Amino acid sequence: LAKTTQPISMDSYEGQEVNITCSHNNIATNDYITWYQQFPSQGPRFIIQGYKTKVTNEVASLFIPADRKSSTLSLPRVSLSDTAVYYCLVGLRGTGGFKTIFGAGTRLFVKA
Amino acid sequence: DAGVIQSPRHEVTEMGQEVTLRCKPISGHDYLFWYRQTMMRGLELLIYFNNNVPIDDSGMPEDRFSAKMPNASFSTLKIQPSEPRDSAVYFCASRGQGAYRPQHFGDGTRLSIL
Repeated sequence: LAKTTQPISMDSYEGQEVNITCSHNNIATNDYITWYQQFPSQGPRFIIQGYKTKVTNEVASLFIPADRKSSTLSLPRVSLSDTAVYYCLVGLRGTGGFKTIFGAGTRLFVKA
Repeated sequence: DAGVIQSPRHEVTEMGQEVTLRCKPISGHDYLFWYRQTMMRGLELLIYFNNNVPIDDSGMPEDRFSAKMPNASFSTLKIQPSEPRDSAVYFCASRGQGAYRPQHFGDGTRLSIL
């Protein structure tokens, strides 16, 4: 499975846009990129998933360049409640052999 | 819809005791995963099932750990005998079959072995 590299931590202020970049140089052709969010004392929660270009939902946007060796999670206008750990995962979906490997994640701290 | 349900939420027991963690996946989900989370090692995949059959248990740390899924709505993770280094938060997750299916996690069981 492709290994991912993310910043260990980031700080931001309320109302700002936050971009978290994940490197996955060894991503395979069939791999998708998935981001999860985890609050203290809770399990990870799915945020967004994509294969190429741009994906947007009500929570975030995911930007994937043409070479797919990196991806950027964009959180528009963060609030204090967005303080959490964000995980970038790369892996093949939908097959019996699918495995999920979580990296260390990025700790985002949003300040007032 | 109810999410993934884990029990107990907290467990404190003494070294050497048997520990059983329980998970009820989301109805209709075909895959079930057990994870362990610690500060030192982060989130580790222990084992996962597809249609109640264990597919990959290479993450199970040692023979003291065992997992079963007797039916589509229930799974257990057992540790016998337990050791202090097993202290962690254990998560269960499930997902459906097919494309674009993210994993849905429970809120975990915080296990403390004294």
